[in-house]
Amino acid sequence: DIQMTQSPSSLSASVGDRVTITCRASQSISYYLNWYQQKPGKAPKLLIFTASSLQSGVPSRFSGSGSGTDFSLTISSLQPEDFATYYCQHSYSNPPYTFGQGTKLEIK
Amino acid sequence: EVQLVESGGGLVQPGGSLRLSCAASGITFSHFAMTWVRQAPGKGLEWVSGISGSGTSAYYADSVKGRFTFSRDNSRDTLFLQMNSLRAEDTAIYYCAKNRDEAVAGTIDYWGQGALVTVSS
Repeated sequence: DIQMTQSPSSLSASVGDRVTITCRASQSISYYLNWYQQKPGKAPKLLIFTASSLQSGVPSRFSGSGSGTDFSLTISSLQPEDFATYYCQHSYSNPPYTFGQGTKLEIK
Repeated sequence: EVQLVESGGGLVQPGGSLRLSCAASGITFSHFAMTWVRQAPGKGLEWVSGISGSGTSAYYADSVKGRFTFSRDNSRDTLFLQMNSLRAEDTAIYYCAKNRDEAVAGTIDYWGQGALVTVSS
């Protein structure tokens, strides 16, 4: 099975900051990497698919990059509504399509 | 508007069974693979199972293989997750989710609100 490792596990930042979360796969997954945002008590929401494609309706301050084993999610200027937990997930080849352990983004 | 509504969650004893349902609307249901993802209390997301649009192919995480069965009724736009031999570690919110296309190996683009399953004596 492919393991997904996110870093950091938690992060404190301020409104207006630029923030980057990284995700590493245990083997190459090409560009088959997705990013989700989850707020407390809510279902996850798709932000980015195939590493860098922005889901419809998602603000352009969110961007994704990477290929192979190393990926990143960047929020260019944090807004109050962005404080949440972020998960990466691979969708490459065979199941299971594992998620990273999550990165909790908190207000500093 | 895409809507996914889960039902059937609840409290069950260890070793017991439960069947979750998920009713979909706002999509051409048979065109999309579907997925179940679960989240134990205070924990991260775990991919549980995926099924093709036709329902002919289903895949499972090792943690549930042999105990859970994922099926779909395309005439009723409904998914089912039959869960047998339940264990305490199966306690979680179970999310029904839609894939972006027909591929089981695909991105999830819509999620239901979740159904809580609690396995406890």
